[in-house]
Amino acid sequence: KAGVTQTPRYLIKTRGQQVTLSCSPISGHRSVSWYQQTPGQGLQFLFEYFSETQRNKGNFPGRFSGRQFSNSRSEMNVSTLELGDSALYLCASSSGETWTLGGGTDTQYFGPGTRLTVL
Amino acid sequence: DAKTTQPNSMESNEEEPVHLPCNHSTISGTDYIHWYRQLPSQGPEYVIHGLTSNVNNRMASLAIAEDRKSSTLILHRATLRDAAVYYCMNDMRFGAGTRLTVKP
Repeated sequence: KAGVTQTPRYLIKTRGQQVTLSCSPISGHRSVSWYQQTPGQGLQFLFEYFSETQRNKGNFPGRFSGRQFSNSRSEMNVSTLELGDSALYLCASSSGETWTLGGGTDTQYFGPGTRLTVL
Repeated sequence: DAKTTQPNSMESNEEEPVHLPCNHSTISGTDYIHWYRQLPSQGPEYVIHGLTSNVNNRMASLAIAEDRKSSTLILHRATLRDAAVYYCMNDMRFGAGTRLTVKP
């Protein structure tokens, strides 16, 4: 099976702009999670989508949003970019079934990430 | 506040076992403990996961404390290719990661 793909791989934006990142999960996976990785804060959970619905959410401001399409592909949007938004944004896909059955976090398969630089 | 904590770094000699610890201070009763590792310029890679009992796979072993407040990832014979940052995770919360250095 093909792995998780993320586009673009690198992005440079200026403060105040908005950005949209894309993620294509592993075929058959219905859950997509997004993470922000920075040297100072490490890996932080943004949100998870399952069957086009946001199922879990981390502690990020409303400038960070996402959506999932019927084919399970997901997009993440950041509006009014700030310098502190510079980070590696990682997408992970999973079956989502363990969480659905009350069994907790599913094993996640990560993409290579999108490196966002805000100037 | 929920905490998943790990040592910042560890060193090992090649061919020797490595024990990487993690504390899961507020883990919920039903959540799995996961371990991932990350090489430079790559996304995290799944290593192993478990719920209550110890687990083995071709990459590693996972020892989980009886109260589930701690876990230990065991690499039985470290190789140079095992040098990476290792992350434990539960409830969608990652630890800060342990940078493992393997010396030849």
